[in-house]
Amino acid sequence: EAGVTQFPSHSVIEKGQTVTLRCDPISGHDNLYWYRRVMGKEIKFLLHFVKESKQDESGMPNNRFLAERTGGTYSTLKVQPAELEDSGVYFCASSRIRGEQFFGPGTRLTVL
Amino acid sequence: AQTVTQSQPEMSVQEAETVTLSCTYDTSESNYYLFWYKQPPSRQMILVIRQEAYKQQNATENRFSVNFQKAAKSFSLKISDSQLGDTAMYFCAFMASNTGNQFYFGTGTSLTVIP
Repeated sequence: EAGVTQFPSHSVIEKGQTVTLRCDPISGHDNLYWYRRVMGKEIKFLLHFVKESKQDESGMPNNRFLAERTGGTYSTLKVQPAELEDSGVYFCASSRIRGEQFFGPGTRLTVL
Repeated sequence: AQTVTQSQPEMSVQEAETVTLSCTYDTSESNYYLFWYKQPPSRQMILVIRQEAYKQQNATENRFSVNFQKAAKSFSLKISDSQLGDTAMYFCAFMASNTGNQFYFGTGTSLTVIP
């Protein structure tokens, strides 16, 4: 089966611009997660969807971040306006059951 | 809150030798999962091994095995007969069994296998 895919693989934007990241989970996986790794630090949880509903968004850093999962399939994470501290690698993961998560390759975001 | 600590930012090992990556965690949960994930350069993160806390037996997957010490809250990964393809960033992760769905990760250990 195809794995979790993310687009783009890299994005370089200027401070104040908007960027939208996309994640396509494994087909049939109702659970979708977003994580972020800032350089040299741990990977941190951002939020969790169950189908199209936000189950837990306790990790979202502020209201400049907006995640959606229309129709319970792919998800987007929009950062508007981007700040320097938003730079990092954004990972998406999906799962069918508790206790497992399959990760995508990540999107490396650089804000200049 | 859960925390995961990986105290070795970088490690290296000779091909065919054995290496152990350390991980400690802190939690008040009694039921949980522990994981080791591997991210090769420019590739996606894949699951190496998983341990359920209620199981006393250490998990093994071919050349990969863990030393799970629940009382000490320690979860180290041993890689035997290291291969060049083992070169990667290794992340230790924790997930509570009954509360929430998020993983808690350590900062990672960059392992290089030297030919």
